[in-house]
Amino acid sequence: EVELLESGGGLVQPGGSLRLSCVVSGFTFSSYDMSWVRQAPGKGLEWVSGISGSGGSTYYVDSVKGRFTMSRDNSKNTLYLQMNSLRAEDTAVYYCAKFNQGTAFDDWGQGTLVTVSS
Amino acid sequence: DIQMTQSPSSLSASVGDRVTITCRASQSISSYLIWYQQKPGKAPKLLIYAASSLQSGVPSRFSGSGSGTDFTLTISSLQPEDFATYYCQQNYSTPYTFGQGTKLEIK
Repeated sequence: EVELLESGGGLVQPGGSLRLSCVVSGFTFSSYDMSWVRQAPGKGLEWVSGISGSGGSTYYVDSVKGRFTMSRDNSKNTLYLQMNSLRAEDTAVYYCAKFNQGTAFDDWGQGTLVTVSS
Repeated sequence: DIQMTQSPSSLSASVGDRVTITCRASQSISSYLIWYQQKPGKAPKLLIYAASSLQSGVPSRFSGSGSGTDFTLTISSLQPEDFATYYCQQNYSTPYTFGQGTKLEIK
């Protein structure tokens, strides 16, 4: 059974940092591209960043470029999102999602809430 | 960036109704279009990929069509468990943008 479990969310002050983790099981992690998708309270979904299976390529939405860094440790089956210089508008539930090249984002974690507030 | 526009933003319907949700891309995305269903407090669930391919385990009352810039999601006969918010997403190029969502409510 495929499982994705995010952690690391919490309350942080504007300008602060957080590192999110997503531990996966039930599939060959290194074979799949992965993404982070966020959802602000009461709002829609926003794709934030993506990473290739090897970790050699990363992609970001413009609003987080230079502030967020996505990485992965395939030996630990873990995905990361380092978030720096956090802003109030980064407040959201952050989901990790597995991208199946034959289909789409077919498996998602339960999400972790990040709240940026003073 | 490619902009995705869904319509309507909300929709009231009854059990048994046939409903259609549309999604328009700001430029051609071929068939790189995905549909998700999301219920409150839950992660999105993949329904349709490649514009018209039904994800394994999804009921056949869901169908998708379109290519280029115009796409539709159709639910042939609404069931109580279908009342949720639906999102389209393009996976043609990064950033993989979503539509703003369509909230399907019980009439």
